[in-house]
Amino acid sequence: AQSVAQPEDQVNVAEGNPLTVKCTYSVSGNPYLFWYVQYPNRGLQFLLKYITGDNLVKGSYGFEAEFNKSQTSFHLKKPSALVSDSALYFCAVREGDTGRRALTFGSGTRLQVQP
Amino acid sequence: DADVTQTPRNRITKTGKRIMLECSQTKGHDRMYWYRQDPGLGLQLIYYSFDVKDINKGEISDGYSVSRQAQAKFSLSLESAIPNQTALYFCATSETGTDTQYFGPGTRLTVL
Repeated sequence: AQSVAQPEDQVNVAEGNPLTVKCTYSVSGNPYLFWYVQYPNRGLQFLLKYITGDNLVKGSYGFEAEFNKSQTSFHLKKPSALVSDSALYFCAVREGDTGRRALTFGSGTRLQVQP
Repeated sequence: DADVTQTPRNRITKTGKRIMLECSQTKGHDRMYWYRQDPGLGLQLIYYSFDVKDINKGEISDGYSVSRQAQAKFSLSLESAIPNQTALYFCATSETGTDTQYFGPGTRLTVL
């Protein structure tokens, strides 16, 4: 079975400060990992993904995520937060050894960036 | 976002009514998905389809059914709606081999 956990319901950070949104996962084989963002009254938008290769993945809007196999984590990071980054962020995972599974999403973390 | 459309965007209905939510896509993707979103629970997968003849149950398929009428269309039905099906429903698509999903704008369903 595959699962993903986002331990923080909300993260608050001041504009200009670095931000981290945490995600841990559990799969039987190799993980495919994703981050999505949801702005108010919108569907989810893809930010970045890790399939294989470099553990540091760069994505849209200046976000990046670091895959850590030993800690089974895939935390989302940004060096300098913007007020416009305030949104709901979802981590997702799929076991990569089979193409027939769908993604499993976490419960989401609300990011609030204060001016 | 306009590549994946959902109708209706908002719907209020009564307990026991049959409801159909529709999803259309112009992205040419093989795979389509239906999710529901509840506060604090994130996204839960209802059904997914890897092609027109390949439909699979997700985590919470009870009380729901789907129809993949064509590659571009995937409908979700609630045969007899109940209040705890009040939620935000999202359709998504992906291309075989990529897993990157593209979401529609959502349908807000309220069952009274």
